[in-house]
Amino acid sequence: GAVVSQHPSRVICKSGTSVKIECRSLDFQATTMFWYRQFPKQSLMLMATSNEGSKATYEQGVEKDKFLINHASLTLSTLTVTSAHPEDSSFYICSAREPGYNEQFFGPGTRLTVL
Amino acid sequence: GENVEQHPSTLSVQEGDSAVIKCTYSDSASNYFPWYKQELGKGPQLIIDIRSNVGEKKDQRIAVTLNKTAKHFSLHITETQPEDSAVYFCAASLRTNQAGTALIFGKGTTLSVSS
Repeated sequence: GAVVSQHPSRVICKSGTSVKIECRSLDFQATTMFWYRQFPKQSLMLMATSNEGSKATYEQGVEKDKFLINHASLTLSTLTVTSAHPEDSSFYICSAREPGYNEQFFGPGTRLTVL
Repeated sequence: GENVEQHPSTLSVQEGDSAVIKCTYSDSASNYFPWYKQELGKGPQLIIDIRSNVGEKKDQRIAVTLNKTAKHFSLHITETQPEDSAVYFCAASLRTNQAGTALIFGKGTTLSVSS
């Protein structure tokens, strides 16, 4: 149990375009999902907390207009990187938490490369 | 501010030896401490966790200890095997907001087990 999937696993896009990343909890309902960014050889940095049916909560320094988050159902959250630039190239990872439990289970990550 | 320190950053051991990774946290309100294993190009995998009402937890070759007074917790891996080689992250729940508990991660420890 506790499987989280992400799609796509890797994406290459041109500068200025937008990219959507999906995060799904496959065998449980997740009212809360989290989006992290990880640069090479660095730790995971929390970007935002995605809440089903309400607006996401963004961490300080993360532009909400650039990183659009939608949590439309109990099993799906999406992160859209708008007007991507090369400095947005990173490994984006989501995690999901079942209501009432502390455990966060992570997806396999999405490698974004902006040319 | 909220912070999680992790040491060492790299650890090399011989197969069969034990490995210990230590973390300290700053927020005395933290009550949940998971450990994740991340292999190259993959998302973090939860390997063990501990809550603040417990001092030690063990799962086969892996154990975690928590000292709330000193605000530090440690991961112990016994009888290490080459497949234990990965990056290990500690984390602490440092706040609870309307969205739920977020995790703050340490910087990671690269464990190398040589045969």
